Amino acid sequence: GQNIDQPTEMTATEGAIVQINCTYQTSGFNGLFWYQQHAGEAPTFLSYNVLDGLEEKGRFSSFLSRSKGYSYLLLKELQMKDSASYLCAVSSNDYKLSFGAGTTVTVRA
Amino acid sequence: DAGVIQSPRHEVTEMGQEVTLRCKPISGHDYLFWYRQTMMRGLELLIYFNNNVPIDDSGMPEDRFSAKMPNASFSTLKIQPSEPRDSAVYFCASSPTPGQSSYNEQFFGPGTRLTVL
Repeated sequence: GQNIDQPTEMTATEGAIVQINCTYQTSGFNGLFWYQQHAGEAPTFLSYNVLDGLEEKGRFSSFLSRSKGYSYLLLKELQMKDSASYLCAVSSNDYKLSFGAGTTVTVRA
Repeated sequence: DAGVIQSPRHEVTEMGQEVTLRCKPISGHDYLFWYRQTMMRGLELLIYFNNNVPIDDSGMPEDRFSAKMPNASFSTLKIQPSEPRDSAVYFCASSPTPGQSSYNEQFFGPGTRLTVL
């Protein structure tokens, strides 16, 4: 099975940087995903890591360390529209996704 | 492409009634997933299909839940009889076969918000 942990809530100021950590224990690993979910909407894909290291995509970056079972999502130059829940998800060898409980990020002016 | 399509978007029913949720995956995607999301339990995988065949239904909570995929463009999730604890948002997602894209990203539909009174 999968055990995925991430903080419940984080608050940051507009323009700042926030780092959301995710730790996981898995019986099989085929990559780690980050999804963004605004209230009342569906999750949407943000990033994917399968090899160790940093993947950068504009204001968002994601890091993976497979040996440590650790990932983080870095949100830079925060905007009000970034207020959402961020879900860490691990893909097992059969391509199922197991999701963490999500981190609610609140961006304040 | 219109993305994953789900219907209805909202469903309110009374305990004991049958509920059928519908999903049309993205054309060409070989995997289809049904999830349930609640505040208490987060996003849980219920069942998934590959090429219309159910692969893993270990997340289906009990026999009241059933899912079918009669063809590549349609799937249903049925709850009979429904109970108040089934109230949740039900998402359908689809993904391409690994190898067709660089990773097996799942694309989610807008969800069906189910309320059982």
